[in-house]
Amino acid sequence: GDSVTQTEGPVTVSESESLIINCTYSATSIAYPNLFWYVRYPGEGLQLLLKVITAGQKGSSRGFEATYNKETTSFHLQKASVQESDSAVYYCALAPSNTNTGKLTFGDGTVLTVKP
Amino acid sequence: GPKVLQIPSHQIIDMGQMVTLNCDPVSNHLYFYWYKQILGQQMEFLVNFYNGKVMEKSKLFKDQFSVERPDGSYFTLKIQPTALEDSAVYFCASQGTGNERLFFGHGTKLSVL
Repeated sequence: GDSVTQTEGPVTVSESESLIINCTYSATSIAYPNLFWYVRYPGEGLQLLLKVITAGQKGSSRGFEATYNKETTSFHLQKASVQESDSAVYYCALAPSNTNTGKLTFGDGTVLTVKP
Repeated sequence: GPKVLQIPSHQIIDMGQMVTLNCDPVSNHLYFYWYKQILGQQMEFLVNFYNGKVMEKSKLFKDQFSVERPDGSYFTLKIQPTALEDSAVYFCASQGTGNERLFFGHGTKLSVL
């Protein structure tokens, strides 16, 4: 079956430092799945951060970026300068097609703490 | 923004009893999902529901599980009878169309004793 592996947390960085959370995937149900980063801020529900459905493309949101790399089957999340408000749990996920983007396979989640 | 509400946030029940988890999806959304997350494990897809029918279910969706959305009200997950291994956080999500973003609820923590 499909699987997603991401950086094991917790990850702690200081404000204004750069961040990378690694994500690699294995998709047996489809050659080029849709890829997502979801985030859960404290006290809130899981929400979409960004998504990319085309290999080679980059998605961005709130200063975060992730590039769909089909050669390395990776979708790493990066931010050049984190803020304390970025403290949250980040989940990498994939979906099998563009018409069924709700059936997600999630990674374990990475807890990020940004120190002031 | 749009919100998915899950009621209750925590439910404690004795093994063998029936439980119904309620989800109030985003208004006008058409696709509904349940996910299950056992403590310390990944969130996993259980089932999706559209137009009054189960569209797809995973191997985690046991025969004791059922879903429905009677008369466009709550989208429910019923477990009858419950087992110890059903203890988990259950997340509901809704989606406007098949390729839009999912909106998740905060989850209902189910403890089966």
